[in-house]
Amino acid sequence: DGGITQSPKYLFRKEGQNVTLSCEQNLNHDAMYWYRQDPGQGLRLIYYSQIVNDFQKGDIAEGYSVSREKKESFPLTVTSAQKNPTAFYLCASSISATLSYEQYFGPGTRLTVT
Amino acid sequence: DAKTTQPPSMDCAEGRAANLPCNHSTISGNEYVYWYRQIHSQGPQYIIHGLKNNETNEMASLIITEDRKSSTLILPHATLRDTAVYYCINSGGFKTIFGAGTRLFVKA
Repeated sequence: DGGITQSPKYLFRKEGQNVTLSCEQNLNHDAMYWYRQDPGQGLRLIYYSQIVNDFQKGDIAEGYSVSREKKESFPLTVTSAQKNPTAFYLCASSISATLSYEQYFGPGTRLTVT
Repeated sequence: DAKTTQPPSMDCAEGRAANLPCNHSTISGNEYVYWYRQIHSQGPQYIIHGLKNNETNEMASLIITEDRKSSTLILPHATLRDTAVYYCINSGGFKTIFGAGTRLFVKA
């Protein structure tokens, strides 16, 4: 069954701690993305990767870091430098990062930092 | 900022067609029109996309005006499970911008 998995579904952390969110896909897609969603808002792009070992900053990359060592995996680290880390985090993938391909999303991770 | 304009909310009776409008007056010639929907607390789901021609799949139909400045997503027979936020986007890949979308309420 092909798709994107994110774990965990809910995550709780204390302020000042780094936390890593997992994203795995078995769709053989080259491109992967991380988005952040705040209540009642649309999605904002944090980072994207067009190919293994390459990634680019999105609109709100400050306080976040990523790696893309394997095609199927694109973990996101929320660092202590992120001022307002509590949010719903969504990972997505597409065949390519060019304009003509749709994205497929995981179920999301809801992060709460207190 | 999103490059599309959508009404914040709409209602539809169950079993009737839901017609969701979208304005994308600044769309470029090589940009596609995409529609996604997001059911509460889930990841967005791709519905349909098109460039110039009208498109239909098992979920919906997409009608794009000839000047490509607006489009309409049609759910032909809305069900309660179609209650969601619907996003219209005029790009793809890393240029995908999700605005606030239209919150569709399907009522019994």
